[in-house]
Amino acid sequence: GNSVTQMEGPVTLSEEAFLTINCTYTATGYPSLFWYVQYPGEGLQLLLKATKADDKGSNKGFEATYRKETTSFHLEKGSVQVSDSAVYFCATITQGGSEKLVFGKGMKLTVNP
Amino acid sequence: SAVISQKPSRDICQRGTSLTIQCQVDSQVTMMFWYRQQPGQSLTLIATANQGSEATYESGFVIDKFPISRPNLTFSTLTVSNMSPEDSSIYLCSAKKGTGGRVEQYFGPGTRLTVT
Repeated sequence: GNSVTQMEGPVTLSEEAFLTINCTYTATGYPSLFWYVQYPGEGLQLLLKATKADDKGSNKGFEATYRKETTSFHLEKGSVQVSDSAVYFCATITQGGSEKLVFGKGMKLTVNP
Repeated sequence: SAVISQKPSRDICQRGTSLTIQCQVDSQVTMMFWYRQQPGQSLTLIATANQGSEATYESGFVIDKFPISRPNLTFSTLTVSNMSPEDSSIYLCSAKKGTGGRVEQYFGPGTRLTVT
C-alpha cells in the first residue's frame, strides 16, 4: 500500500535558520500528500497539502512541492521561529478508495531563540 | 472547520482495568476515526467509527480490546479494555468533513494514557 518515509529527528535549530524536512512516498498512482503539525499539548493540524504532481502547498511560510520525479514532498521554511517548535508528520492516502491517512514517523523540531 | 474535544486529556490506570475516552465534535462530520500514537512512533489507525453500526477495525485491532461507539454524527467513544503497560499511548480522535475536493480531516488533542 501507499506509504511515506520522512527524516526523523529530533532537530534543533536557531531562530531564522532554514528548515528542510525530507519526505518521500511510495504509491500506486499519485495520491494526495500532506504535512501535519502537532504543537505541544495539541492535536494534529493540517499544515499544507498537494493533490497532484507539481502542486505546491504553502501555509504559514512553509512550502512543499509534490515531485513525482523524485517521489518527494519535502517541507521547507526559509526562516523558522520559536513558535514553529512542534512535531511534523508527512502523510498520504491509502490505496483502494478508502481515503485513510497513512503517516510517517514524525519529526520533532525545536527552535531556540 | 471542525473542533474536536476529548475527555479525559490524560489518565494513569492500573493494568487489568478499562478506560473509556470520549470524543465530541462541534459540528456534524461524515467520518470519525480513532488513532493510537505510541511513544516515539507515528499514528496508527485503530478503527473507523460508524454511526449506528459496528466500527470497522484495522488489522491488528479487535473489538473486544477496543470497543467503539458512535451513537450520532458528532460523538464517539473508545474503550481500552483490560489494559496492560503496552497500551500506554496517546489516543487521538479524528473526523473527516466535507465532500469532493474539499474534504479535510481534523484531529482532537489526544488522550495520554499511562498504564502501570
